[in-house]
Amino acid sequence: DQQVKQNSPSLSVQEGRISILNCDYTNSMFDYFLWYKKYPAEGPTFLISISSIKDKNEDGRFTVFLNKSAKHLSLHIVPSQPGDSAVYFCAASRMDSNYQLIWGAGTKLIIKP
Amino acid sequence: DVKVTQSSRYLVKRTGEKVFLECVQDMDHENMFWYRQDPGLGLRLIYFSYDVKMKEKGDIPEGYSVSREKKERFSLILESASTNQTSMYLCASSSFSGAKETQYFGPGTRLLVL
Repeated sequence: DQQVKQNSPSLSVQEGRISILNCDYTNSMFDYFLWYKKYPAEGPTFLISISSIKDKNEDGRFTVFLNKSAKHLSLHIVPSQPGDSAVYFCAASRMDSNYQLIWGAGTKLIIKP
Repeated sequence: DVKVTQSSRYLVKRTGEKVFLECVQDMDHENMFWYRQDPGLGLRLIYFSYDVKMKEKGDIPEGYSVSREKKERFSLILESASTNQTSMYLCASSSFSGAKETQYFGPGTRLLVL
């Protein structure tokens, strides 16, 4: 039973355009949502997060939107750059589970020149 | 900057061998985690630890054990390696203070069991 789902295994976007990565979840008790970026042969690195009490968080080219009623979050990258090509993981945590992370399967983003 | 290091980047072992994967973090983090990553499955939690000598099972602990004798070091042990344990193994750490939910990862160990 996957509590965090990333339904698109891959996404291809032209350089300079907007990349939108989506994530759905089933557990309304999640307190925090995070996005991680992973290059091949490296560990994931933290990108951006959002608390469940907010609906938007922005950090430079990266913005995460949270729609609690739809149990959906998305990561927007504007403008997309070649270095953004990576696998992006969505993760969620609950305070009452000691902040263990529940992970999505990942979306491979390919930025075309 | 948080640094999490893993003892090996690549390992090749034979079925039945005992395998040790070591992880060290230098930020005095209380929490440490072992995951495996397989294509299409994301990261799956094997074991975690919130303190020295403390361990908790994650989602897929079967075939694995762990050891945390010092705060900075968390070891994953495959008692008798099997081919279905071929995977990328990732260690992470986090703190009870600050951004509690943010985990910091090592570079990973790609294990091949023949």
